[in-house]
Amino acid sequence: KNQVEQSPQSLIILEGKNCTLQCNYTVSPFSNLRWYKQDTGRGPVSLTIMTFSENTKSNGRYTATLDADTKQSSLHITASQLSDSASYICVLHMDSNYQLIWGAGTKLIIKP
Amino acid sequence: KAGVTQTPRYLIKTRGQQVTLSCSPISGHRSVSWYQQTPGQGLQFLFEYFSETQRNKGNFPGRFSGRQFSNSRSEMNVSTLELGDSALYLCASSRGGANYEQYFGPGTRLTVT
Repeated sequence: KNQVEQSPQSLIILEGKNCTLQCNYTVSPFSNLRWYKQDTGRGPVSLTIMTFSENTKSNGRYTATLDADTKQSSLHITASQLSDSASYICVLHMDSNYQLIWGAGTKLIIKP
Repeated sequence: KAGVTQTPRYLIKTRGQQVTLSCSPISGHRSVSWYQQTPGQGLQFLFEYFSETQRNKGNFPGRFSGRQFSNSRSEMNVSTLELGDSALYLCASSRGGANYEQYFGPGTRLTVT
């Protein structure tokens, strides 16, 4: 079983709508949980970084939440724009060995 | 401040050949990590170097190797290329601590024919 699982695998929504992407993890404790945005053929770009003790972090129209009890994180995108079409990846940074555990990502497509 | 740079951006090689990819991190960053990404797949961690020492290693065969120089620039080498090595190779740099953000380069697109 993967240590970081993201859902859905892919999502298509209309421009202007909101959406929520999920990340479930099994490992703990960890140093921080990160959400990245990756445009096709390019390197990922960091959206948010949350420590184990934080439960929400915003970056413009992106809001990440973290529930340590249920071991879930979500990324909420409000008022989606065409430029939000990308893969969104959840990553855990482990305390002990500086390792990152990457989810497989959710591919988001925004349609006009 | 210049970002992470990777050279070359595109590369075509023949099966059995070897290849060396280069990554220059952001000035002041001591950690460089390498990733492989194949179409439709998530990032697969190759290895991380910190202050010229390999600190972490993923589950890749010994054909994949790397090194880091005293100026933090890093190279990745793949020997005896296989068709399955065709991928986008990304490098990322950070200051190195657990809470530090990783900054990714644009990647090198390697095609093995």
